[in-house]
Amino acid sequence: GESVGLHLPTLSVQEGDNSIINCAYSNSASDYFIWYKQESGKGPQFIIDIRSNMDKRQGQRVTVLLNKTVKHLSLQIAATQPGDSAVYFCAERVGDYKLSFGAGTTVTVRA
Amino acid sequence: DTAVSQTPKYLVTQMGNDKSIKCEQNLGHDTMYWYKQDSKKFLKIMFSYNNKELIINETVPNRFSPKSPDKAHLNLHINSLELGDSAVYFCASRRGLAGGELFFGEGSRLTVL
Repeated sequence: GESVGLHLPTLSVQEGDNSIINCAYSNSASDYFIWYKQESGKGPQFIIDIRSNMDKRQGQRVTVLLNKTVKHLSLQIAATQPGDSAVYFCAERVGDYKLSFGAGTTVTVRA
Repeated sequence: DTAVSQTPKYLVTQMGNDKSIKCEQNLGHDTMYWYKQDSKKFLKIMFSYNNKELIINETVPNRFSPKSPDKAHLNLHINSLELGDSAVYFCASRRGLAGGELFFGEGSRLTVL
């Protein structure tokens, strides 16, 4: 499953499929980006980060891609599992101290 | 051993009241934050302190006043509560000033009636 365009608030994906969550960021000067996962009733948790001098970074089952030309960030989750159901946020570092969050995409995994 | 802990987790109060939310982190971090999450899940930064010094103060009504007695604690006091203050408030901390991930607390859900 994939959220297309700038951003979709929800994404439904079949268990075992790959998920792609997209994010458009606003500040061309941003040099650091993070993806967070927020499960129901909990605080956001770090998934993976990437600096602006990279265009790809891989973690365990997750890959983040950065396209600075179009100010686009994506999170790919391989073999999506029921535990991946959550709200996913991209965040960009704005200025020296502030981490600014996008609107979030709700991912629902179908069994 | 909760890294970033907030109290209370739930708070229901009447309009016009004054309330406080407390936050403590045991990670030895220097920088702490308050974020507000609305009903649409949008996370907006409110304040940040670094070693007890205010470094971020977004456009927030002055009814909201943060206080950092030491670098492990950042409390949020809200005067004259309004219906629009209903939200989940998250405390977060980070090791350094500018880089690295934020560690979030579990959130404090404030409901103003």
